[in-house]
Amino acid sequence: SYVLTQTPSVSVAPGKTARITCGGNNIGSKSVQWYQQKPGQAPMLVVFYDSDRPSGIPERFSGSKSGNTATLTISRVEAGDEADYYCQVWDSDSDHYVFGTGTKVTVL
Amino acid sequence: QVQLVESGGGVVQPGGSLRLSCTVSGSIFSSFGMHWVRQTPGNGLEWVAFIRYDGNNASYADSVKGRFTISRDNSKNTLYLQMNSLRTEDTAVYYCARRVALDYWGQGTLVTVSS
Repeated sequence: SYVLTQTPSVSVAPGKTARITCGGNNIGSKSVQWYQQKPGQAPMLVVFYDSDRPSGIPERFSGSKSGNTATLTISRVEAGDEADYYCQVWDSDSDHYVFGTGTKVTVL
Repeated sequence: QVQLVESGGGVVQPGGSLRLSCTVSGSIFSSFGMHWVRQTPGNGLEWVAFIRYDGNNASYADSVKGRFTISRDNSKNTLYLQMNSLRTEDTAVYYCARRVALDYWGQGTLVTVSS
């Protein structure tokens, strides 16, 4: 089955840049979504189709891909960005939707 | 605004059944595919099932295939998840979410499988 691997945790100081990576075989050919989940809340879509943002999501959140890795970049990090972040793709071979293992972002 | 509200969670014994519902408002329900996603306490997200906008095709995670059935009633703006032969490892918060890109989520309903 298709696997998406994320770094378990990232720590970043306020005002700095956080980069969250998501690795998967041939991920370059797949559309990647990113979700933010704060404690006790449902996940929220922050990036879709690799790099598009839903309305209401700040420009500080951006998505990109290179090789077998997708990256969510959070610029000018704020305390409110502290959350778990998950990447997600649709695997056409299995017709399964797959979530990454998740990354906990801690704002120092 | 778009709202998704899950219901039907609760405590059930292993081997038992439960049916979850997800009612959608503020959106043309019949235009979009829908997902069920679950999350065990303190753990990550696990995709469970997806159904096309017209209900004519569905896909399932290997962990639930043959035990769970996703369905929808477009006349009632409601999505369902029929869960049979429940196991302790099915204990989780179950979320419904809209569209392929899961752009809106409900708040979740807790299912506890325990004797």
